[in-house]
Amino acid sequence: RKEVEQDPGPFNVPEGATVAFNCTYSNSASQSFFWYRQDCRKEPKLLMSVYSSGNEDGRFTAQLNRASQYISLLIRDSKLSDSATYLCVASGRYGGSQGNLIFGKGTKLSVKP
Amino acid sequence: DAGVIQSPRHEVTEMGQEVTLRCKPISGHNSLFWYRQTMMRGLELLIYFNNNVPIDDSGMPEDRFSAKMPNASFSTLKIQPSEPRDSAVYFCASSPADSSAYNEQFFGPGTRLTVL
Repeated sequence: RKEVEQDPGPFNVPEGATVAFNCTYSNSASQSFFWYRQDCRKEPKLLMSVYSSGNEDGRFTAQLNRASQYISLLIRDSKLSDSATYLCVASGRYGGSQGNLIFGKGTKLSVKP
Repeated sequence: DAGVIQSPRHEVTEMGQEVTLRCKPISGHNSLFWYRQTMMRGLELLIYFNNNVPIDDSGMPEDRFSAKMPNASFSTLKIQPSEPRDSAVYFCASSPADSSAYNEQFFGPGTRLTVL
């Protein structure tokens, strides 16, 4: 079983649509969670951290369900510029070491005019 | 401020050759990570350093891969001998704190390696 699993997509949506991505993680000891964004042929960049209480940043909302080991990202009013691959990330693969991050393979989003 | 710097940006080499990838982390960051990204396997952690000391190298695929961090501002990832299956994009990332899982990792632009 992969440690962080995501639907690879692609999600093809029209501008203005609301789109939701989900991922699951296998390590119940993970304590930190993130969504990264990666544009084509570019490096990943942090989009937002994910907190247990849920958090929002403009059109983006992230949720964490520790009981189900499930993370979600909601994008409202999607823009053409949101087209990218979204990587779900969880921390702490080895014992007490929280120093490393495990990345999902990403969900590709394409927003069309 | 300069971000993470990687060189070369592109490398094409023949099977059996030695390849050296270089990384300069963001000044003041004390954790450094090497990742490999392929379509099949996604982004995989190879090794990470904290205060120039290798902490976890379990992701290094085999003895052909080695990484060093001789000082806080420089790291290398070496593949010797290279094989076609090593073709991938190699990213270096740095982070500002000891407990890096709680902090953002800043990625360099990557080195696109092709082994013929």
